[in-house]
Amino acid sequence: QVQLVESGGGVVQPGRSLRLSCEASGFTFRSYAMHWVRQAPGKGLEWVALISYDGSNQYYADSVKGRFTISRDNSKSTLHLQMNSLRDEDTAVYHCAKDLSGSGTYGMDVWGQGTTATVSS
Amino acid sequence: EIVLTQSPATLSLSPGDRATLSCRTSQSGGSYLAWYQHKPGQAPRLLIYDASNRATGIPARFSGSGSGTDFTLTISSLEPEDFAVYYCLQRTIWPPLFTFGPGSKVHIK
Repeated sequence: QVQLVESGGGVVQPGRSLRLSCEASGFTFRSYAMHWVRQAPGKGLEWVALISYDGSNQYYADSVKGRFTISRDNSKSTLHLQMNSLRDEDTAVYHCAKDLSGSGTYGMDVWGQGTTATVSS
Repeated sequence: EIVLTQSPATLSLSPGDRATLSCRTSQSGGSYLAWYQHKPGQAPRLLIYDASNRATGIPARFSGSGSGTDFTLTISSLEPEDFAVYYCLQRTIWPPLFTFGPGSKVHIK
């Protein structure tokens, strides 16, 4: 079945970096755009980033632009999120999610359970 | 920047009731609007995409409507498993940037 499994979360100090990964299975990964979405404790959902099916286009929320980088390895069906210059407000559960399309047109139809990143001194 | 407003913030209803949830956007994104159901400890579940299209496997009691800046999710007859938080999601036409609404919580009366 279609499955997304995130990893790489942990506790990190402000200003440091963390790299999240998402392993996909059960669908043709290289055909679909992928997203990262986060949920801070007690808050709602926040879209973080989008990458097109072939990795040629990336888009970011203003809150992470210039600090986070989304990438993908279609040969390994894996999505990544490199998070640099982390702030307290980046503390959240991070979900990877598959888009309905290759370009990111419609939004996310399959989600992983998430991995938790905690930024704390 | 798109701002989404969902109303009501909370809704107290009984099984069998009809739920009507509203999502208003500050900019028109055409029909690029989706609705999600989210329960604690679970991954969000896509209900509706492109304003009115039910996602695969979603029961017919869920329906979406609207365009431009005003959208509605209707649950025709609430089942016990429908009590959850519902989020709308809009995409700007170009570049494709996404924004979630703050959510509407439907809980048992």
